[in-house]
Amino acid sequence: GAGVSQSPRYKVAKRGQDVALRCDPISGHVSLFWYQQALGQGPEFLTYFQNEAQLDKSGLPSDRFFAERPEGSVSTLKIQRTQQEDSAVYLCASSLALTSGSGNTIYFGEGSWLTVV
Amino acid sequence: GENVEQHPSTLSVQEGDSAVIKCTYSDSASNYFPWYKQELGKRPQLIIDIRSNVGEKKDQRIAVTLNKTAKHFSLHITETQPEDSAVYFCAASNLNTGKLIFGQGTTLQVKP
Repeated sequence: GAGVSQSPRYKVAKRGQDVALRCDPISGHVSLFWYQQALGQGPEFLTYFQNEAQLDKSGLPSDRFFAERPEGSVSTLKIQRTQQEDSAVYLCASSLALTSGSGNTIYFGEGSWLTVV
Repeated sequence: GENVEQHPSTLSVQEGDSAVIKCTYSDSASNYFPWYKQELGKRPQLIIDIRSNVGEKKDQRIAVTLNKTAKHFSLHITETQPEDSAVYFCAASNLNTGKLIFGQGTTLQVKP
């Protein structure tokens, strides 16, 4: 497709359940980012991949959060033993270049809306 | 740590008026400053960006200014239209980390 694709778009999970969120970046994009956006807030950085290498995971809130991008394309964000505070929109983004610091455009997906009940 | 402050949090203007949103950043290594527009339930969409080697950039009704010394950057929208109503986010990117730090967002309402 032409843009960043995420699935599922909506997910309701019972507290304690594990969830997996998928991101298909724009074809050929080297950099991939995951952000968490709580209601009424700006996106908060979670983690960053350059190809298959996870270069920065400083934003992951706890060891219940895990992200991977094994073949340098599709990425999965996994949340184990979900809690109510995990309820948010999880945004995936990709960029053609190696780092956004060089000024290359970052494109966002529509997000996966997670509600933990 | 890295921080981006954005003001105001809400802004209401009459159609045809101008709107200005201001941001400050803390990391002097930041060199890329995009602005995103996000409509309810939609993805953030890039509307304009500026690199640190320029002080101003304009694209039709939208302009962005950057003051590196003061670590300020601003979004200016002229001749506002009702379809400009949305939440606007500024962001700053650090050279070394490759990640965007976002402001808290400004909800812009353009009244017809």
